[in-house]
Amino acid sequence: DADVTQTPRNRITKTGKRIMLECSQTKGHDRMYWYRQDPGLGLRLIYYSFDVKDINKGEISDGYSVSRQAQAKFSLSLESAIPNQTALYFCATRQNTGELFFGEGSRLTVL
Amino acid sequence: GIQVEQSPPDLILQEGANSTLRCNFSDSVNNLQWFHQNPWGQLINLFYIPSGTKQNGRLSATTVATERYSLLYISSSQTTDSGVYFCAASPEETSGSRLTFGEGTQLTVNP
Repeated sequence: DADVTQTPRNRITKTGKRIMLECSQTKGHDRMYWYRQDPGLGLRLIYYSFDVKDINKGEISDGYSVSRQAQAKFSLSLESAIPNQTALYFCATRQNTGELFFGEGSRLTVL
Repeated sequence: GIQVEQSPPDLILQEGANSTLRCNFSDSVNNLQWFHQNPWGQLINLFYIPSGTKQNGRLSATTVATERYSLLYISSSQTTDSGVYFCAASPEETSGSRLTFGEGTQLTVNP
């Protein structure tokens, strides 16, 4: 089983719908991240969390919200999805400033 | 924030050839990682290498922190090496530092 699990892996939705992407980890790491990747581009940080009580905006947080329900769980929500949020989304974890580990990605299409 | 630049943006090789990918970063770093994104979109950790040299099979990496660059060497390339190679770095000055990604090198290895 993967150490960092994302659900769903693929999702097609319509403009205006609320979408939640979930991430859980078994690595025991304190820090969790959500990144977005657009075709042909690198990864951009949406939100990150150092522990359950600590949430921080990344470089492209507009239109997104997150919830750190437990040390092992970090979810990303799109309250009202729009087509330019169509992208590949990655959750990642790390311990302090150590090595970053990614989930397998969630491909979201907004029609 | 820190700037991460990768070169070349694209690279096409014949199977068996060697290659060097470069990553330049604009600040002192406490984390430097190389990732391989395979054709299915998965991000695979290759090296966690804020300084020094590491080797793993046909791949090796060197980071010269004082000169702010890292190199990824691929020897005897195989078609399965195809994909995008990302470098990511986080600066020293913030303990909560998040990784900033370069835009990647798209590698194609032809049989």
